[in-house]
Amino acid sequence: QKEVEQDPGPLSVPEGAIVSLNCTYSNSAFQYFMWYRQYSRKGPELLMYTYSSGNKEDGRFTAQVDKSSKYISLFIRDSQPSDSATYLCAMSGNQGAQKLVFGQGTRLTINP
Amino acid sequence: DSGVTQTPKHLITATGQRVTLRCSPRSGDLSVYWYQQSLDQGLQFLIQYYNGEERAKGNILERFSAQQFPDLHSELNLSSLELGDSALYFCASSVSSGSIISGELFFGEGSRLTVL
Repeated sequence: QKEVEQDPGPLSVPEGAIVSLNCTYSNSAFQYFMWYRQYSRKGPELLMYTYSSGNKEDGRFTAQVDKSSKYISLFIRDSQPSDSATYLCAMSGNQGAQKLVFGQGTRLTINP
Repeated sequence: DSGVTQTPKHLITATGQRVTLRCSPRSGDLSVYWYQQSLDQGLQFLIQYYNGEERAKGNILERFSAQQFPDLHSELNLSSLELGDSALYFCASSVSSGSIISGELFFGEGSRLTVL
C-alpha cells in the first residue's frame, strides 16, 4: 500500500463547477501538506501549503486537512479552463522538503 | 518560469547505455533534488544535495548516481539503462536544506528519457 493515495482520474467538469480533489495517507507523522499543480509538459508548481489540520483559503482555492481521518482535500470554486492540469498532493513529516511524498496526481479538465 | 534549468529536454537511448542529465538551480538556491515521474509510480524522490553534499536519499537505484558541483549545478547519471528507466526526470531546488516553511520546491521542466 502506498503512503499517499490519490485517484488519478481523469476528472472532467464544466466551467464554473466546484471541483473537489482528495488524497488519503497512512503515515501519521505527516505534518506538512501541499498541493502542486502541473501543467502539461511542465514541472509541478506549489499551489497551496498547510501545516497540520485545518483549512486554508487562497482566492478560488481552499485546502483542507483532517489529520484524524488522514484525509486532505483541495476545492476549486468557479473552475476555469486554465485550471486544467494535473494536481498532486504532497506531504512530509519533520524532515520537511527532504522527504516529500507525492500522490500520483489527478488529471483535471475544465470544459468551456 | 521557475528559474530551474534542465538539459536535455528529451533523450532517446538504448538499453545498457549511460546518460547524464543536468540541472541548474535557481540563483541563490543551495539545495537540489532529483525526482523521477512515471505513469505507474507517480513522482518519486531520488536524491537531494545541499551545497555540494549529499543530504538525503530516496528510492534511487544503485545504477544511478548524482553530484552537485561547486557552482551548485547538479548532474544525475543513469547507467546500464533498462526499459523501465524510461520516465520524466525532474530537478527541483530550494533555498534551505530541509525546511518546507522557508523553502518550497521549484521544479524544472524535466528531462524525458526514453530507453528503447
